[in-house]
Amino acid sequence: EAQVTQNPRYLITVTGKKLTVTCSQNMNHEYMSWYRQDPGLGLRQIYYSMNVEVTDKGDVPEGYKVSRKEKRNFPLILESPSPNQTSLYFCASTHYGGTGSRYGYTFGSGTRLTVV
Amino acid sequence: GDSVTQMEGPVTLSEEAFLTINCTYTATGYPSLFWYVQYPGEGLQLLLKATKADDKGSNKGFEATYRKETTSFHLEKGSVQVSDSAVYFCALMPGNTPLVFGKGTRLSVIA
Repeated sequence: EAQVTQNPRYLITVTGKKLTVTCSQNMNHEYMSWYRQDPGLGLRQIYYSMNVEVTDKGDVPEGYKVSRKEKRNFPLILESPSPNQTSLYFCASTHYGGTGSRYGYTFGSGTRLTVV
Repeated sequence: GDSVTQMEGPVTLSEEAFLTINCTYTATGYPSLFWYVQYPGEGLQLLLKATKADDKGSNKGFEATYRKETTSFHLEKGSVQVSDSAVYFCALMPGNTPLVFGKGTRLSVIA
């Protein structure tokens, strides 16, 4: 089944404790992206990657890191989480290039992160 | 820059009522347009899409028509059900650049 898999689904952590949220897709998509969703603010892009070893900042990159060492994986790293990073996070992927604009994104099920 | 504006919610309807959620966009060129749906506790799912002017996307009884002259992509359904309660996002993809989302509209359908 074609899908984007995020782990974990739920995470509660303490301020300053490094964490990684994993994202993997099995569709051979070039493009992958991370979003956070907050009430009243909709979906905001954190980082995106157009292919292996190519990453770029989205609208709200502060406090986050990403890496793209393999095509299928795009982990989101919070080196020193803070309470304002409490949010619902989504990973998404699509084909980059003309086909991407025809098919849109495939989203993961989300990771609800709470930083206390 | 590119942007999407959709009607603010929440929208509350009785079962079998007619639904319209307005969406307008600003973009250069000829973007593809999408509606995504997010059911409670789940991720976003593609509901329907249209890739060129006058295209009509449809799925699960929902429809939206790409109107270039009014830069709109309004979502409609003739008879909503309780199971349609969700948050709906309008989005555009202007070529090969990242997807741009509206802020979402929460729909609640009551029996």
